[in-house]
This record gives sequence, structure tokens and C-alpha cells, in this order.
Amino acid sequence: QKEVEQDPGPLSVPEGAIVSLNCTYSNSAFQYFMWYRQYSRKGPELLMYTYSSGNKEDGRFTAQVDKSSKYISLFIRDSQPSDSATYLCAMSATGRRALTFGSGTRLQVQP
Amino acid sequence: GAVVSQHPSRVICKSGTSVKIECRSLDFQATTMFWYRQFPKQSLMLMATSNEGSKATYEQGVEKDKFLINHASLTLSTLTVTSAHPEDSSFYICSAGRQTNTEAFFGQGTRLTVV
Repeated sequence: QKEVEQDPGPLSVPEGAIVSLNCTYSNSAFQYFMWYRQYSRKGPELLMYTYSSGNKEDGRFTAQVDKSSKYISLFIRDSQPSDSATYLCAMSATGRRALTFGSGTRLQVQP
Repeated sequence: GAVVSQHPSRVICKSGTSVKIECRSLDFQATTMFWYRQFPKQSLMLMATSNEGSKATYEQGVEKDKFLINHASLTLSTLTVTSAHPEDSSFYICSAGRQTNTEAFFGQGTRLTVV
């Protein structure tokens, strides 16, 4: 069993839809949770960073962490075609350690 | 956000040659940088942790003599793929974070093709 599970998709939605992306994990030591967006043949771009449980909002993006369920989510409101990319969840147990990544979910927002 | 620059973005080399990839933190000092490898449609897999002024720490299954890492300064880490083979063809990505927090920023990645 992988430490971090993420549905690879592809997930196809119409423009303007609310997108929900999720990851589950098995390592209860994870405390730092991140969401990255990766366009084809590019390095990952940090979208959201959360420590421990709770919600965090930044513009159209909301990250949620439920440590009791070992479940994290990223919501994208008013999705745009430019949001089409692969979204990777990542997490670490302590600060400045390397990240453990999910496999990534490919999102396609149809105009 | 912090900027991590990786160079080159793309390289094609012949089998048996060596290739050096550079990773620089442009606006902060990074005592630790990380090197990942990504195969098509797969996630990033950690290869090694690069420590400034000391030896790198390699993940299980990664050959340290094949993937040489040097972290000579607080802003530069290099990965050298030695005696490259076609199976080394992949997307290599570095990351670094500021000392004061845990956010990790990634370079643009290097697509290596060994022919």
C-alpha cells in the first residue's frame, strides 16, 4: 500500500464548476500538507500549504486537512481552462524533510 | 514565492557520457535541497537529499556512484548522471526550502534523454 493515495483521473469538468481533489494517507506522522500544480514538462508549482488539521483559503482555492480521517482535499471554485493541469498532493512528517507525493490527478476544464 | 532555478531544462546526450544538472536557490539560502525523478504520468520519487557541506543522503535503490550530488554552497546543488544509459532518461526535478519554514519550492525540471 502506498503511503499517499490519489486518484489519477483524468477528471473532466465544465468551465465554472467546483472541482474537488482528494488524497488519503496512511502515515499518522504527516503534519505538513501541500498541493502542487504541474503543467506538462514543467516543475511543480506550490498552490497551498497547510500545517496540521483545518482549512485554508487563497482566492479560488481552499485546502482542507482532516488528520483524524487521514484525508486532505483541494477545492477549486469557478474553474477555468487554465486550471487544466496535474494536481499533486504532498506531505511530510517534519519541517524541511523531503516530501511524499501522491500520484497526481489530471484535471481538464472544458471551455 | 521563493525561486528555485534549474538548468538545463532539456538535454540530450549519448550513452556513456555524463550530464550535470544545476539547481540554484535565487533569493534564499538552502542548506538542504532535494532531487526527485519523475517518469511519464507518474509522481515524483525522491532520489536523494543534498546537504550543504556534507555528503548527500540517497534513497534506497538509488546508486550514489551513478548519481553524484554536490552541494558546495548555500545556493547551489548539482546532480551529475554519470555513464548515462537510455534507462536514465527521465524528468529530474530539484526542490529547496527556506530555513525558516517548511514550504518546498521546485525548479523547472530537466528532461534528460539518453540516446
